Order: sequence, then structure tokens, then C-alpha cells
Amino acid sequence: DAGITQSPRHKVTETGTPVTLRCHQTENHRYMYWYRQDPGHGLRLIHYSYGVKDTDKGEVSDGYSVSRSKTEDFLLTLESATSSQTSVYFCAISEDERAWADTQYFGPGTRLTVL
Amino acid sequence: GESVGLHLPTLSVQEGDNSIINCAYSNSASDYFIWYKQESGKGPQFIIDIRSNMDKRQGQRVTVLLNKTVKHLSLQIAATQPGDSAVYFCAENEYNNDMRFGAGTRLTVKP
Repeated sequence: DAGITQSPRHKVTETGTPVTLRCHQTENHRYMYWYRQDPGHGLRLIHYSYGVKDTDKGEVSDGYSVSRSKTEDFLLTLESATSSQTSVYFCAISEDERAWADTQYFGPGTRLTVL
Repeated sequence: GESVGLHLPTLSVQEGDNSIINCAYSNSASDYFIWYKQESGKGPQFIIDIRSNMDKRQGQRVTVLLNKTVKHLSLQIAATQPGDSAVYFCAENEYNNDMRFGAGTRLTVKP
């Protein structure tokens, strides 16, 4: 398995509170991604990073921000959590320069519940 | 917009039989396709991939077939085992665009 860990693995929080999820990789891959997975939907891209301090928005970025200060860490922050952000969040990594046509490997996921 | 989808949401097979999971895609410019397996409570696990310059690719007990004419992708699992029970989903990608994922098919293997 690709060396990807996510923390926490489970979190319950209340509406309006800030939440930060962490993704850590030991593969030294350049590209990192945050997805959310909801019933009936495929994985949807929230944000991605193509290098340290280089990030961009994905399909469902509203309400989320990211930061990448080191190659190995990619943080996802919900500034003020809402119930619609209850989901399972997955981090993924890929290495190729041509990242958009390269395999993405996933972490174990974080289940977030916003009450 | 264009999307990735699956023909069947559930598939039940007998242990030892072959399984076929299908996926339709609508973006004719997609040039890279992946099948993932996701077990309950775990992250998606890469199974096999194929690029658009190929029609077929084989792995260990799995084969992916790509039919670009009808924009169809399938995953064949030979001699299905109980450990193959999971959700399988396809992903497709056009160069310099986001990878797009199907919702998945749940495969259940009966002993």
C-alpha cells in the first residue's frame, strides 16, 4: 500500500466549528488531492496540490481551504463546518509529471460528522 | 457535462464464477482509465489501469477491456473469491483535466 495516512480517522464536530484534516505521505509524490465521498456520488475533488505551496480548486471547493507547507503534508480545513460537509474524506497522491493521466493512490479516509 | 457511470449498481456471483463489472463513459477525449476496489471502511485500492491506445490489459485474475467505439469499459474478475466482495468503481481522465469517478457497483460473492 502507498504510504498515506490520514488523521483523524473519525471526527464528530458541531456546526460552525473549524476542522482540520491531515494527510501525510511517505512516498515523496509531488501531487496530492482531497476528495469527498458521499452515497450515490463518485469521489469529488475538493482541492489539489502540485507542489509545496502550490494548490488549486477542484469541483467542490466552496467552504474548504488547503495548505501544503511540506511535500509530505496536505491539510484540509473547514473554516466553519456545516452539516452538508458531513462526508468521508479521502486524500490521494500521484507522482507523475503528467499527473492528470497517472494513477492516484488513496489514503484510508476520514469520516467526518457535523452535527 | 460529461460523466462516468455504471450499468449495474449491484452484482451477485457464486464463488468460483467469473465476474464482469461494466462502466460507461461519455467523454470521448478520455485517454486513461482506472478500476478501483473499495472495501467497507477503507480507501479505494488501485486494481488495474488502461490507456486509450490499448483495448485490453490483464493483471492477476483481472482483465480490463476498453471499447472506445461505444465508450465502454469493463472489469473481468476470474474465479471470483469471497475476498473480492467490495464496491468497484471506474475512473476516467482526459489529459490536463480532473479525474472523474463513477459511483460504483457492489459485488457480492456467495459461497
